[in-house]
Amino acid sequence: DAKTTQPNSMESNEEEPVHLPCNHSTISGTDYIHWYRQLPSQGPEYVIHGLTSNVNNRMASLAIAEDRKSSTLILHRATLRDAAVYYCILRGYGGSQGNLIFGKGTKLSVKP
Amino acid sequence: AAGVIQSPRHLIKEKRETATLKCYPIPRHDTVYWYQQGPGQDPQFLISFYEKMQSDKGSIPDRFSAQQFSDYHSELNMSSLELGDSALYFCASSFRTGDNEKLFFGSGTQLSVL
Repeated sequence: DAKTTQPNSMESNEEEPVHLPCNHSTISGTDYIHWYRQLPSQGPEYVIHGLTSNVNNRMASLAIAEDRKSSTLILHRATLRDAAVYYCILRGYGGSQGNLIFGKGTKLSVKP
Repeated sequence: AAGVIQSPRHLIKEKRETATLKCYPIPRHDTVYWYQQGPGQDPQFLISFYEKMQSDKGSIPDRFSAQQFSDYHSELNMSSLELGDSALYFCASSFRTGDNEKLFFGSGTQLSVL
């Protein structure tokens, strides 16, 4: 299984941008890069996903390296509500490869 | 907008008892996933269903079984409960498009085995 590597924890100041890195050197050509986050005492929440091109949505941006061996989730202005564990997950296409398998995420703390 | 509904929110059981957790997916979603999250752990995939058929199996113990019914709701049945089964159990649903659709998670059922 392709795996991801993320820092255990990161800290940010409120209203500043946050860049959460993820390494996935064994990514296959059909693996999508997904980001989910889990706020305290809640279920995981979808943030964004992409394949090759950078992606933007109302929550965040996803920057994918040209060789796809790494990616960065960008929160443009962190708020206290963004304090959560962020998971970078590789998800294949179809069958068991399509399951969402959580690894070790990054715990983001946001300081006022 | 309707979300994934799980019941009960909290459940307390004794060792060796049985428990049934229920999950009601978002309307029109055809796929259900079950996850287990122990204290301080990351969510672990247990099992998934697509169109009422088991789609894939993860680290689900033999003491657990699950099914998806004709109305697409799902139940996770747990027997011979052990202390180590104490965890947060999440259900997620999606509408399978074959294009890496997003999963929507419920708020979970907190199971405590005493």
